[in-house]
Amino acid sequence: GAGVSQSPSNKVTEKGKDVELRCDPISGHTALYWYRQSLGQGLEFLIYFQGNSAPDKSGLPSDRFSAERTGGSVSTLTIQRTQQEDSAVYLCASTSISGIPPPPYTQYFGPGTRLTVL
Amino acid sequence: QKEVEQDPGPLSVPEGAIVSLNCTYSNSAFQYFMWYRQYSRKGPELLMYTYSSGNKEDGRFTAQVDKSSKYISLFIRDSQPSDSATYLCVLRKGGGSEKLVFGKGTKLTVNP
Repeated sequence: GAGVSQSPSNKVTEKGKDVELRCDPISGHTALYWYRQSLGQGLEFLIYFQGNSAPDKSGLPSDRFSAERTGGSVSTLTIQRTQQEDSAVYLCASTSISGIPPPPYTQYFGPGTRLTVL
Repeated sequence: QKEVEQDPGPLSVPEGAIVSLNCTYSNSAFQYFMWYRQYSRKGPELLMYTYSSGNKEDGRFTAQVDKSSKYISLFIRDSQPSDSATYLCVLRKGGGSEKLVFGKGTKLTVNP
């Protein structure tokens, strides 16, 4: 079946502009994560959505970052007034708790959006 | 102290070599131990997982967990150029906890 998709695959923007990144999770997956991966760094957790629960925003680095998930499916990560340090690959992952295939809570990642802030 | 430590490499080996990738962790609550593989310009994908201690083998890949020393390993036998990727160790606590803890990843290049 279809995997996690993200768009755009690449985004180049000027400092100070706003950007929106989109994630389409695997159909039926209730949980969705956003991560940031910078050169030489590991995956940095940003935000987590699970069903209708309030999102876990504990990883958002500043109030310039926000995310929403509409209808329990598609998610958008918005970065306002972009800065050069925001340049990174933004990865989205979705999860099924069913444990099929194992292990449970396996995260399936999209290909990422490569953001470059000039 | 970071929850998981992984040598970022890079690691470069000739084709056919045995590769050993390792991570250490600090919290004994971790019960699921996974290895994700990430090809260039792709998202990470689950390669192998082990629940609790022990070894698990899948073809040329062996995952090993030593909970007493909080040390996990991934061995690749007869390495191939197609194994060139970044390998991330990923840990999860049990008891319904969904959060994954990621190592920084080790970049591996297998030279033909």
